[in-house]
Amino acid sequence: AQKVTQAQTEISVVEKEDVTLDCVYETRDTTYYLFWYKQPPSGELVFLIRRNSFDEQNEISGRYSWNFQKSTSSFNFTITASQVVDSAVYFCALSEAEGNNRLAFGKGNQVVVIP
Amino acid sequence: DAGVTQSPTHLIKTRGQHVTLRCSPISGHKSVSWYQQVLGQGPQFIFQYYEKEERGRGNFPDRFSARQFPNYSSELNVNALLLGDSALYLCASSLGPWTTSTDTQYFGPGTRLTVL
Repeated sequence: AQKVTQAQTEISVVEKEDVTLDCVYETRDTTYYLFWYKQPPSGELVFLIRRNSFDEQNEISGRYSWNFQKSTSSFNFTITASQVVDSAVYFCALSEAEGNNRLAFGKGNQVVVIP
Repeated sequence: DAGVTQSPTHLIKTRGQHVTLRCSPISGHKSVSWYQQVLGQGPQFIFQYYEKEERGRGNFPDRFSARQFPNYSSELNVNALLLGDSALYLCASSLGPWTTSTDTQYFGPGTRLTVL
């Protein structure tokens, strides 16, 4: 069964600081997909980044970067030079490769960026 | 291009009533999934439909049902509402029936259901 754990609940940072969100996942599949979504107060889940289990390198997309460590089953996400608009709840999610596209979500991290 | 749309935005019902929530996927997407998000938690998978067939079902009672229409839009129905059904109901669409290296689920704005 797929499972995602986000340990921290609320994180406060001062604007322009970096913030890193931790995600640990469990799966028995060898092929799987990991995602980070952002949920602002409006409620809509916004797709940010994804990582396939078979990808070789970690990447950077603008102010977002992610660190995938298969050995520790972790998929951490960093926002560089945080802005007030980054204040939201961030969810890590896992999808396994077979049958359907069910996403298993963690409980989320509330990020508060203080001006 | 329009994203995933959901209606209504908000809904208030009383216990025992029935509710129907609607979702229209992104143009070209054939898969629709439904998730329930209670306050303070991550979304929980309810159903996935692809080409009008149910592809997956989460751990929800039979009071929850869904269907998908030929135009790929979808309805989620909940019968005999309980207080615990109060939540944000999110719809997501994607191209195909399962996650691939390029296929990602995109979410709508949600329907906030309050059961009194």
